[in-house]
Amino acid sequence: AQSVAQPEDQVNVAEGNPLTVKCTYSVSGNPYLFWYVQYPNRGLQFLLKYITGDNLVKGSYGFEAEFNKSQTSFHLKKPSALVSDSALYFCAVRDSDMRFGAGTRLTVKP
Amino acid sequence: NAGVTQTPKFQVLKTGQSMTLQCAQDMNHNSMYWYRQDPGMGLRLIYYSASEGTTDKGEVPNGYNVSRLNKRGFSLRLESAAPSQTSVYFCASSEGEVRVYEQYFGPGTRLTVT
Repeated sequence: AQSVAQPEDQVNVAEGNPLTVKCTYSVSGNPYLFWYVQYPNRGLQFLLKYITGDNLVKGSYGFEAEFNKSQTSFHLKKPSALVSDSALYFCAVRDSDMRFGAGTRLTVKP
Repeated sequence: NAGVTQTPKFQVLKTGQSMTLQCAQDMNHNSMYWYRQDPGMGLRLIYYSASEGTTDKGEVPNGYNVSRLNKRGFSLRLESAAPSQTSVYFCASSEGEVRVYEQYFGPGTRLTVT
């Protein structure tokens, strides 16, 4: 069965600094990996996905993620954080069904 | 397009009461899903419907039933609510059940069972 782990409950960065939100996965076959963002009192919004092809995937709002097969990781990154990026971020892996990580709360301070 | 809509937004039930959560999507998606979100646990799949007329259990189906009303609508029913079902419930849809498709989520229903 597939699983996904987000090792950090909380990530704090200063505005303008680069950010990384970590995700590792376990799946028996080819991984289908997703990142979602959740703003307060809202549903999840799709950011980006890796299906196949280039290991660096670009998504919405300037976010990107790097797929690393040898490390079974799919870390979310952004070169320059904004205060408005503060939210809850979920990594997900899809095999027989979609499995979500527990989430990482990103706080960007001015 | 409204996307995925859910009703109600909030609900308080007493133990043993029943209720139905409604979900509708206007994106002509084939697949629909019900999740619950609990603090520190991410989202867990309750039931899903790969296509109109089919439903399947997810990770945590006990205490719930679903009905795929038509292509647009997918309802979740709690027959006898328990405090352990206090949670935020999200409906989602995707173009298909194939793994490449991302999901679109509704705004959620916050349910409290006392």
